Amino acid sequence: DQQVKQNSPSLSVQEGRISILNCDYTNSMFDYFLWYKKYPAEGPTFLISISSIKDKNEDGRFTVFLNKSAKHLSLHIVPSQPGDSAVYFCAGAFNYGGSQGNLIFGKGTKLSVKP
Amino acid sequence: EAQVTQNPRYLITVTGKKLTVTCSQNMNHEYMSWYRQDPGLGLRQIYYSMNVEVTDKGDVPEGYKVSRKEKRNFPLILESPSPNQTSLYFCASRGQGDVRYGYTFGSGTRLTVV
Repeated sequence: DQQVKQNSPSLSVQEGRISILNCDYTNSMFDYFLWYKKYPAEGPTFLISISSIKDKNEDGRFTVFLNKSAKHLSLHIVPSQPGDSAVYFCAGAFNYGGSQGNLIFGKGTKLSVKP
Repeated sequence: EAQVTQNPRYLITVTGKKLTVTCSQNMNHEYMSWYRQDPGLGLRQIYYSMNVEVTDKGDVPEGYKVSRKEKRNFPLILESPSPNQTSLYFCASRGQGDVRYGYTFGSGTRLTVV
């Protein structure tokens, strides 16, 4: 059972426009959701997170929205830049219990920002 | 510089020949974890450790072993590698406390088993 789903394998956006990456989840017990960015030949790097009790978190050009009733979150990048081209992973995490801190990842979405 | 260091970065080996991928972190983190990345499957957790001498299975532990004898090191051991273990492997670590900042990942080890 896939607990975190990223249904779009790829997304192409024009430079300066908004990029919206989507993520759905099935486990309502996640305490946090995190977004990671990954360039080829590098490890994933942390981008932004949101607590399950919030509906929005913003950091510069990056905003994550959480809709708990729909079990859906999205990452907005405004404005998009060519350097944002990477694979983006959504992950759920538990803050308590035996699985505390372990990340459950989606399959990733490859974002291409065209100049 | 705070980092997670994996070695080697690239490795080609033959079926059945035991190998170890090393991982070391310099941030005094309690938690360490191994993930593998495969096309179309994303990142899947192999093993994790909550502290020295405390390890547990992740989602795909078959064919792997780990040990955590020291806080900074978390090696991944493949006793008898098989071609289906050809993958990109990532080690990661994080400190205790809430998870909002997630794990810090190493640069990866690309393993090919022929």
